[in-house]
Amino acid sequence: QQQVKQSPQSLIVQKGGISIINCAYENTAFDYFPWYQQFPGKGPALLIAIRPDVSEKKEGRFTISFNKSAKQFSLHIMDSQPGDSATYFCAARRMDSSYKLIFGSGTRLLVRP
Amino acid sequence: GAGVSQSPRYKVAKRGQDVALRCDPISGHVSLFWYQQALGQGPEFLTYFQNEAQLDKSGLPSDRFFAERPEGSVSTLKIQRTQQEDSAVYLCASSLGGQGVYGYTFGSGTRLTVV
Repeated sequence: QQQVKQSPQSLIVQKGGISIINCAYENTAFDYFPWYQQFPGKGPALLIAIRPDVSEKKEGRFTISFNKSAKQFSLHIMDSQPGDSATYFCAARRMDSSYKLIFGSGTRLLVRP
Repeated sequence: GAGVSQSPRYKVAKRGQDVALRCDPISGHVSLFWYQQALGQGPEFLTYFQNEAQLDKSGLPSDRFFAERPEGSVSTLKIQRTQQEDSAVYLCASSLGGQGVYGYTFGSGTRLTVV
């Protein structure tokens, strides 16, 4: 069953624009919500992460917004660059089950020059 | 080492063949996870080790899949009698703390193709 739903499946943004990717979850036993960036032929790399007691976290051009009551969180990439073109995965960690990560299905981002 | 190292990078197996995939985690990392990533999908959990103990193998799809980490460092994922549906990228991740508490570092994966 899909415990973390991610949208959109793909996204095209002009250079300098804002990329927004959304995720929603059902299970309240999640305690940590990371975003991963994956380039072709590489493993996922941690981009930014947030805990549920915080509503927003910003690191450089990347911001996570977290809405605990709605069980939703999103990634905003400001001033998107062609080098940001990659697949992005949201994830949620289950604190009641080996702290494994449950991943969303991914968003393929293309930033046009 | 500087990162998580996986070998081989690519493996082509004939259906019914056994394969062994190796993961060298970052030195000193306590936690080690295996994930399976089908084409165009997010990674899916297979199994978790804390040191040499396999604490969770609930994600292993069948009894053809077996993982070990005998000395709490290098891990091997073995798939017996491979089937076409086993074709995927197998990712290994390690973490300094127990239970992945400090976040994971993933390797680049092994791409398994079963023909």
